[in-house]
Amino acid sequence: DAMVIQNPRYQVTQFGKPVTLSCSQTLNHNVMYWYQQKSSQAPKLLFHYYDKDFNNEADTPDNFQSRRPNTSFCFLDIRSPGLGDAAMYLCATSRGFARGDDEQYFGPGTRLTVT
Amino acid sequence: DQQVKQNSPSLSVQEGRISILNCDYTNSMFDYFLWYKKYPAEGPTFLISISSIKDKNEDGRFTVFLNKSAKHLSLHIVPSQPGDSAVYFCAAIRVGVRFGTSYGKLTFGQGTILTVHP
Repeated sequence: DAMVIQNPRYQVTQFGKPVTLSCSQTLNHNVMYWYQQKSSQAPKLLFHYYDKDFNNEADTPDNFQSRRPNTSFCFLDIRSPGLGDAAMYLCATSRGFARGDDEQYFGPGTRLTVT
Repeated sequence: DQQVKQNSPSLSVQEGRISILNCDYTNSMFDYFLWYKKYPAEGPTFLISISSIKDKNEDGRFTVFLNKSAKHLSLHIVPSQPGDSAVYFCAAIRVGVRFGTSYGKLTFGQGTILTVHP
């Protein structure tokens, strides 16, 4: 089945130790998104790639970076994780038609813990 | 500035009764409104949507109502089933000719936890 896969599902890192989360898709979608979701809060868009074009949200901290080496894979790098970065990180994809029926498909998320 | 708000963190209903989940928004530029459903340990999945030019969209047991003047939408589930127990996110989107800075991206509410008791 076509899907969005995130690895690992649970990640524990130490304060200040770089960490990378990965996302892959078999949907061949143009757009890949990274969201951060903290407990009882709305998923917050960090950035997205439209093909190879990177688009950062204005309020995304510089500590967060992303790479998309090919259509299928997208990585979220947190250069120096702080305790406030502990959250669920969701990857999503869409065709990128900017239409109301352009559904986003989400992965199961990676739960990041910072110790 | 939270543009999409779900003011009820949780809702509990009896099986067979109606569930009504509410959502308010502030940005009148939104063109579509969507509901996503999320089970534990899974990502959100699309449930139903409505265009801003409509006031109602129905899909089986799920109906979404939009009141543009009040900037309010609601999701009705009738009849509610235990399998509907999940977190429901309201989301909004601006559509455009080309995917870009303001178009094509979802703005989510905080979610409402729905529990349907047998």
